Amino acid sequence: AQTVTQSQPEMSVQEAETVTLSCTYDTSESDYYLFWYKQPPSRQMILVIRQEAYKQQNATENRFSVNFQKAAKSFSLKISDSQLGDAAMYFCAGTLGTYKYIFGTGTRLKVLA
Amino acid sequence: KAGVTQTPRYLIKTRGQQVTLSCSPISGHRSVSWYQQTPGQGLQFLFEYFSETQRNKGNFPGRFSGRQFSNSRSEMNVSTLELGDSALYLCASSSAGGPDQPQHFGDGTRLSIL
Repeated sequence: AQTVTQSQPEMSVQEAETVTLSCTYDTSESDYYLFWYKQPPSRQMILVIRQEAYKQQNATENRFSVNFQKAAKSFSLKISDSQLGDAAMYFCAGTLGTYKYIFGTGTRLKVLA
Repeated sequence: KAGVTQTPRYLIKTRGQQVTLSCSPISGHRSVSWYQQTPGQGLQFLFEYFSETQRNKGNFPGRFSGRQFSNSRSEMNVSTLELGDSALYLCASSSAGGPDQPQHFGDGTRLSIL
């Protein structure tokens, strides 16, 4: 079965510090795509970062980077220099060999001033 | 470019009624997906439409149905509403719905069942 699991319902980080959100997935496919989405309290979901499974290099977008471990089926998101505006629900998702997006249950990130 | 537009933003219904939600994708996008979001469950995939055809379907009962029009606008219908249908319903569009393409989400419709 294709699944995406986020085991941290809630995380907190001090402003300017670094935090890592965890995500694991399961698929028997070798080619797939993984995503992190952010849903601020205003509700609209936006894409944070994308990773192609066939690329060994970890994706980076400014303060956001991933640690993609294909063999371990792990896809964590690192946020550096955390800002108050980073407070949101973060969802890990994947199109694990299909056209369907499979989402994790989300991690609520609190940023403390 | 205008983003994904969902109407209405809020709906209150009673058990047994039916409801229709609307989604207008980003101009040029041909794929529209629907999700149900509830606390603790994350986003559950309902279905995806591409060029007026349902291409993928999630594990929801037949009370949940949808369609897509020639202008790519999509509607989702839920019949015989149950209390458990209370949720935020999100629509997302992408240009062709490929597995590599990010989804662009609307603000959602908050459905409350009394």
